[in-house]
Amino acid sequence: GEDVEQSLFLSVREGDSSVINCTYTDSSSTYLYWYKQEPGAGLQLLTYIFSNMDMKQDQRLTVLLNKKDKHLSLRIADTQTGDSAIYFCAFSRAAGNKLTFGGGTRVLVKP
Amino acid sequence: NAGVMQNPRHLVRRRGQEARLRCSPMKGHSHVYWYRQLPEEGLKFMVYLQKENIIDESGMPKERFSAEFPKEGPSILRIQQVVRGDSAAYFCASSPPGRDSPLHFGNGTRLTVT
Repeated sequence: GEDVEQSLFLSVREGDSSVINCTYTDSSSTYLYWYKQEPGAGLQLLTYIFSNMDMKQDQRLTVLLNKKDKHLSLRIADTQTGDSAIYFCAFSRAAGNKLTFGGGTRVLVKP
Repeated sequence: NAGVMQNPRHLVRRRGQEARLRCSPMKGHSHVYWYRQLPEEGLKFMVYLQKENIIDESGMPKERFSAEFPKEGPSILRIQQVVRGDSAAYFCASSPPGRDSPLHFGNGTRLTVT
């Protein structure tokens, strides 16, 4: 079966970098996503990466994929208070296919 | 282009009643997915539908839950005879046809069973 794990909580000071980690077991995962959920809201797609990529950068966001260790990370540069939210990693075998989610990492940005 | 629209945002039902959750996908999207999020947990896949077809319902409980996506109108997730354990946030997501399009989520319906 599929298993995705994330740490529960991350506290970071405003202006610092945040790194959110995710490990998975399904080696056939092809598309790897990061979603952001603010309180009472839906999921906002932040970025995604294909399994044939090692890294993707999009403004303040950097995604790193280590396929050998089945480890995915999201780095947020210059973290702002508006970045406080729950971040979910998710995987699918095909884009637009059903996703398997991690349990989410709650990020708290302190001023 | 409006996003994925779900209604109602909040729904309160007594045990034994029926809950109907509606989802209108983004314009041009013909694939709809329903996910459930229990408190303090990640999202769990329930069902994947295309117009008039259920493609994958492997995450749906065997009883009391059903979903449809008719030719016209929104997708409906129906929960009969609700129990307290059904209290959760239910999210709908949609994608267009084709392989390289990620899912876009609605804001969810928060169901509370009293």
